[in-house]
Amino acid sequence: GAGVSQSPSNKVTEKGKDVELRCDPISGHTALYWYRQSLGQGLEFLIYFQGNSAPDKSGLPSDRFSAERTGGSVSTLTIQRTQQEDSAVYLCASSFGTSEETQYFGPGTRLLVL
Amino acid sequence: EDQVTQSPEALRLQEGESSSLNCSYTVSGLRGLFWYRQDPGKGPEFLFTLYSAGEEKEKERLKATLTKKESFLHITAPKPEDSATYLCAVPNQAGTALIFGKGTTLSVSS
Repeated sequence: GAGVSQSPSNKVTEKGKDVELRCDPISGHTALYWYRQSLGQGLEFLIYFQGNSAPDKSGLPSDRFSAERTGGSVSTLTIQRTQQEDSAVYLCASSFGTSEETQYFGPGTRLLVL
Repeated sequence: EDQVTQSPEALRLQEGESSSLNCSYTVSGLRGLFWYRQDPGKGPEFLFTLYSAGEEKEKERLKATLTKKESFLHITAPKPEDSATYLCAVPNQAGTALIFGKGTTLSVSS
């Protein structure tokens, strides 16, 4: 079956511009996660969606970051007024339930802020 | 604070030279320990989940084991295609994310 897909695969933007990253989870998975992976760093949790529950936004690094999930499926991560330190790989994952269930990752979006 | 620490950061092996990767964790009430493989430019690929001390799981040349404080990923007679970064992770207390270690980058040369 189809795995988690993300678009775009690469994004180059100028400092100060807004960017939108998209994630299509595995069909039937109710939980969706966003992580960030910076060079030399581990995966850093950003946000978690589960069904119709309020998302866990505790990992978002600043109010320039936001995410939504429409219809319990596709999710968009938006970064406003991008900064150079936002350059990283943004990974999306999905699972059947909480983080105790196996998460399956997409290929990531590589964001470069010039 | 829940933490996951992996060692070594990097490991170079000759083809056929067996070794082990370590993942130590500090969590209150382990609800699973996950191993992933990540190739350059790709997302992490799921390998194993371990839930209780003494549990072992195998896949080809890989075997994962779990104790109350750490997990090991044993690689037997590795091949160059086993070269990758291996990540371990545990669920956070809220059940909303995985806490990842920084990974071990394995290079196997022929």
